[in-house]
Formats: sequence, structure tokens, C-alpha cells
Amino acid sequence: NAGVTQTPKFQVLKTGQSMTLQCAQDMNHEYMSWYRQDPGMGLRLIHYSVGAGITDQGEVPNGYNVSRSTTEDFPLRLLSAAPSQTSVYFCASSYATGYEQYFGPGTRLTVT
Amino acid sequence: DAKTTQPPSMDCAEGRAANLPCNHSTISGNEYVYWYRQIHSQGPQYIIHGLKNNETNEMASLIITEDRKSSTLILPHATLRDTAVYYCIVRTVSPYTGANSKLTFGKGITLSVRP
Repeated sequence: NAGVTQTPKFQVLKTGQSMTLQCAQDMNHEYMSWYRQDPGMGLRLIHYSVGAGITDQGEVPNGYNVSRSTTEDFPLRLLSAAPSQTSVYFCASSYATGYEQYFGPGTRLTVT
Repeated sequence: DAKTTQPPSMDCAEGRAANLPCNHSTISGNEYVYWYRQIHSQGPQYIIHGLKNNETNEMASLIITEDRKSSTLILPHATLRDTAVYYCIVRTVSPYTGANSKLTFGKGITLSVRP
């Protein structure tokens, strides 16, 4: 199993550009989520999904969209990038709600 | 979810046991204690979790006090590869609400293992 994979590993955007961070898992996990981590801080939940076709907001959802059309994939879209979105983004998945979560390697995003 | 308090840092010698403390004095009866760690620049890694009994797996042991207000993660024989930030997280585990699956990460404790 590859586990949780994220692409790209690094990305630089200009203010106002849009892009999609990709996340995929091959463990048939129902629950997937996106976190961001800023320097010196813990991880903060952006959006999560309890299964294909179902998504909901976390604590910092503004400026981000998600969709879940398949069990395997959970992309995160930045609609109009802002410097405040410079961060490291982690995707995570778990067998179901309440189980331990497995994290991807992260995407390091810089918005200039 | 209940709040946790961890010291900012600690160190230990390679080969010795590392005992990482966590206070969670407001924990409620249905909340579990979870431990994750994050090795530099990598994604967090699940270590262990427990409700009230002590737990052990291939990575670590978790000791929860009888009143459940504090716990200790024990790495029995620390290696240099165990240098990381360790997060103690308290959360409700419910199969009914997705939001209860969220992990609230604080600043954690930085463990430095010295040769």
C-alpha cells in the first residue's frame, strides 16, 4: 500500500491564482481530512469528509473548497490564493469516523 | 474536547526510556487520550491511544492515571530517530458525528534524543 499520497510536494503561487492540492489513499478509508500547519503552531482542520459525496467544514475553511467524488481522492482547491494561505498542508485518512488517522507527507505552499 | 497541557521540551539519552507527560484535568468519561508524533517536516504519525487502561504496542506504552487527569507516553528504548514533536490529544470518539474525528493539535512536546 502507498498509504496517503499528496501532490505536489512544493508549490509557489502568485496572489490571486488558483490551484488544486491532490490527496489520494489506497486503504479504502471512509474518512478523509485536510489540515494546515503554520510555523510554531499545531495543525488546524480545514475540511473533512466522512464518505464519498459528503464533505463538511472544519475550523478554518475560508478560501478553500473540497469535493469527494470517490472514496480514494479528496482534492483541496484554493480559489484565489492569498499570502495568508502560505502553509504546509496535510491530508489524512482513517478507516472510519473515530479511528486513528494516517497522514500524507504534506504539500508546502508559498503564496507571494 | 478537553484541553491538554504538555511541557515544551525534554531530552533523554539514546537507549534510555523517554517518559513524556501530559495533563488533561478536564477530560470527560467518553474521551480518549491519543498520542501522535511529527518528525521534522513529515506528516504526523499515530502512536497509541487509550481510554482508562494502560496500553502497549510495538512503538510505545501509554500509562493513564486512575483519575484519568494525566497520562505518560513511554518510549522504552529511545533512539535518535525518535527525536520529534509529540502531541497528546484528547478527543471524543463517536461513530455518529464526523466532527468528532477531528484532531485538535496543540504545540506538543519536543523530544530530543541525544547520543
